[in-house]
Amino acid sequence: SAVISQKPSRDICQRGTSLTIQCQVDSQVTMMFWYRQQPGQSLTLIATANQGSEATYESGFVIDKFPISRPNLTFSTLTVSNMSPEDSSIYLCSVEWGLDYNEQFFGPGTRLTVL
Amino acid sequence: RKEVEQDPGPFNVPEGATVAFNCTYSNSASQSFFWYRQDCRKEPKLLMSVYSSGNEDGRFTAQLNRASQYISLLIRDSKLSDSATYLCAVTYYGGATNKLIFGTGTLLAVQP
Repeated sequence: SAVISQKPSRDICQRGTSLTIQCQVDSQVTMMFWYRQQPGQSLTLIATANQGSEATYESGFVIDKFPISRPNLTFSTLTVSNMSPEDSSIYLCSVEWGLDYNEQFFGPGTRLTVL
Repeated sequence: RKEVEQDPGPFNVPEGATVAFNCTYSNSASQSFFWYRQDCRKEPKLLMSVYSSGNEDGRFTAQLNRASQYISLLIRDSKLSDSATYLCAVTYYGGATNKLIFGTGTLLAVQP
C-alpha cells in the first residue's frame, strides 16, 4: 500500500485558533479523503479532495470551517478553523490505492485537543 | 437508522475460540465492503475486502449477504494479538466519488 504521513501527529490548541494538518503520500493518487474520529466513535467523512478541483464536503461540514487544499497528487492539507473544544478529535487522511480502487488506506492521524 | 450498524461489544473470548461479527448496511446500492482493524490510538488498517463469493485469509473469513444486506467476519483460533476494534465499511456512489461509510466498530478482547 501507499505510505501516508501526517503532520503534526498531535497538538493542543487554544480556542479560537486554527490548525493546518498536512497529509503526504509517497505515490501519486487521484482521490484523498479527510475523516474525523471523535472520542469513542467511528470515522466520519469530512470531505473528498480531488487534485485540481474544490473539495466535496459531506453534510454537516463546511469549507469555512474545514478549508482543504490539494495542490498536487501527493499532498493535501486540512485546516480546522476557529477551533472550539468540540473539535477535539483525531483527524485522518486516506487515499484510494491498489488494484481495487475502492480500498482506502489511512495515515496515522492527527490527535487534536482544543482547550 | 444508521447507514452501517455493528454490535459494539465488547466480545470477550478465550484464546483459541472462534468469534463472529456481523454488520448490516441500509443502502442497497452499496458496492464494496471491507473489514478494518483498529488498535487503540492507531489508524484503521484494512483487514480484508469482502467479495460476493466470500473470501478467506488464514484464520479470517469474510462473507457478504446482499439479500439480507449484511457482511460478516469470522475469526478462528483467536490470538491475544487479535484484540482490537473491528470496523466494517461500505462504499456507495455519492455523486462525484465513492463514499466509504464506517460502522461504529466491534471491540474484541481475547483473554489468555
